[in-house]
Amino acid sequence: DSGVTQTPKHLITATGQRVTLRCSPRSGDLSVYWYQQSLDQGLQFLIQYYNGEERAKGNILERFSAQQFPDLHSELNLSSLELGDSALYFCASSQTGLQGYTFGSGTRLTVV
Amino acid sequence: AQTVTQSQPEMSVQEAETVTLSCTYDTSESDYYLFWYKQPPSRQMILVIRQEAYKQQNATENRFSVNFQKAAKSFSLKISDSQLGDAAMYFCAYRRAGANSKLTFGKGITLSVRP
Repeated sequence: DSGVTQTPKHLITATGQRVTLRCSPRSGDLSVYWYQQSLDQGLQFLIQYYNGEERAKGNILERFSAQQFPDLHSELNLSSLELGDSALYFCASSQTGLQGYTFGSGTRLTVV
Repeated sequence: AQTVTQSQPEMSVQEAETVTLSCTYDTSESDYYLFWYKQPPSRQMILVIRQEAYKQQNATENRFSVNFQKAAKSFSLKISDSQLGDAAMYFCAYRRAGANSKLTFGKGITLSVRP
């Protein structure tokens, strides 16, 4: 157990739907990062939050949004889902980043 | 923008032998960190080793060591005495110094270990 908890582990949904992925960071970590891993794109950075505030944005679609709550857990909202959104979504957390990130086990999203 | 390149998509090694995975990166920063992550079939991302750019000494973690060539912007991972459990995808990653900067990953290399 890495200490970073992601739920659900698997999600199957239809095109056009909306889903919410949840992440609880490791105790003491203020930063949360979201990454998307698809077969042909590798690990793509989506967005970062630090202590409730958005810090950096990567290749995140406008249909996707995220937030970090006062208890530091984070949610990634994916709407108007398309087949191409099928991927493994990782959350990671860090304190200062010097130790690298700690990753959760990911949420496997399948859009049918 | 920083980029990380892993040009070999696949490699294979005999059990107990040594294998080296290559990685190059591009940055204009002088202070940064480099990482190797392992992703086994379980899909969990596991930190294998890290290197601070300001340190000349190459990092070592048990059977894993790196060859960090800052001028050449090269960061290879050597796995000694390869074990079946080393079979996985390996990602090289970069982040600039400064709190909470993002990790940029290479596309990864799939390592298989032959018994």
